[in-house]
Amino acid sequence: KNQVEQSPQSLIILEGKNCTLQCNYTVSPFSNLRWYKQDTGRGPVSLTIMTFSENTKSNGRYTATLDADTKQSSLHITASQLSDSASYICVVSPYSSASKIIFGSGTRLSIRP
Amino acid sequence: EAGVAQSPRYKIIEKRQSVAFWCNPISGHATLYWYQQILGQGPKLLIQFQNNGVVDDSQLPKDRFSAERLKGVDSTLKIQPAKLEDSAVYLCASSFEGGGNTIYFGEGSWLTVV
Repeated sequence: KNQVEQSPQSLIILEGKNCTLQCNYTVSPFSNLRWYKQDTGRGPVSLTIMTFSENTKSNGRYTATLDADTKQSSLHITASQLSDSASYICVVSPYSSASKIIFGSGTRLSIRP
Repeated sequence: EAGVAQSPRYKIIEKRQSVAFWCNPISGHATLYWYQQILGQGPKLLIQFQNNGVVDDSQLPKDRFSAERLKGVDSTLKIQPAKLEDSAVYLCASSFEGGGNTIYFGEGSWLTVV
């Protein structure tokens, strides 16, 4: 069964610190892997999208990495800001059916001043 | 560029009542999705349309949920009768052609069933 597992489930860090969120998946082969940010009460917003051949993708202070051999992806946030408080969701599209995307449960990140 | 529009944003109904949500996707997006997101969980696909045809509705509880996209643009999702466990955020999303492209989400319709 295709699955996407995220860790930690929740994380609290101080403003200005860095953090890394993890995503492990069993979907193989896959078309692309995305990270979304979802603010409380809002819809998810795309941060990065990577194909299976890409190792890293950056979007400002957000950097996503992908290791297709270990089936792991990480999202690194640099110099965190209060506005980074949100849920971060890892999403994988299977190659066999790119329309049947699979969502992780997300990591709830809280930034404290 | 206008985003995915949804309404209403919030709705509180009693169990066994009915409710309908409306979605207007981004112009030109052929694929439209409805997701259910329960607090603390990732979104779960309810139904996916390609233009006005259904691509996947395998997880739609068809005894109480229905959705349509008659003209291949706007879509409505209806729940009748509602149950307490239907309390969730209903997210509409759209993309150009499907999972290979970025999916853009609306702000969601928050449903509370009491």
